[in-house]
Amino acid sequence: AQKVTQAQTEISVVEKEDVTLDCVYETRDTTYYLFWYKQPPSGELVFLIRRNSFDEQNEISGRYSWNFQKSTSSFNFTITASQVVDSAVYFCALSKFFGNEKLTFGTGTRLTIIP
Amino acid sequence: EPEVTQTPSHQVTQMGQEVILRCVPISNHLYFYWYRQILGQKVEFLVSFYNNEISEKSEIFDDQFSVERPDGSNFTLKIRSTKLEDSAMYFCASSEGPKTGTGRRGYTFGSGTRLTVV
Repeated sequence: AQKVTQAQTEISVVEKEDVTLDCVYETRDTTYYLFWYKQPPSGELVFLIRRNSFDEQNEISGRYSWNFQKSTSSFNFTITASQVVDSAVYFCALSKFFGNEKLTFGTGTRLTIIP
Repeated sequence: EPEVTQTPSHQVTQMGQEVILRCVPISNHLYFYWYRQILGQKVEFLVSFYNNEISEKSEIFDDQFSVERPDGSNFTLKIRSTKLEDSAMYFCASSEGPKTGTGRRGYTFGSGTRLTVV
């Protein structure tokens, strides 16, 4: 069975600070996908990144960066120079690589950026 | 980018009534999904649908629920005899499947239908 753990339920930081959201996953599959989604107060799920298990390179997209470490089964997300618009709930998710690929979500981290 | 469209965005229904939540997946996608999110909780998988049949369902997806692709474009979730605990946000998603394709997102989610059972 697949499992995603986001141990941080809520984080508050002052604007312009950097913040890292943790994600630890469990799977018996050797190949899989990892995802991050943002859920703003309006409720929709906003796709941020998909990473396959073959690719352990870190990724940077503007103020966002992701650190994938297979050895520790972690896929952490860092926001640099946080802004008020980053306030949201962030979900990490996992899916199989082949076959039916339902997403297994973590419980989410509520991030509040204080102006 | 192509979108998944869900209607209605909000629905209020009385306990015991039947509701149908509608979704229009992306046209060239092959896998379709419904997820549920009770307020303040995580997003939970309900069911996946491929080749006009259910490919997997969770424990939540009991006889109260059914899905259908009635006309080749719509994908519906029917909830019979709604209960108060069915109040949640319901998300539809689609993917190219079976390998979630080469698209960068893999899945595309709709904006959700917020169902309130009173």
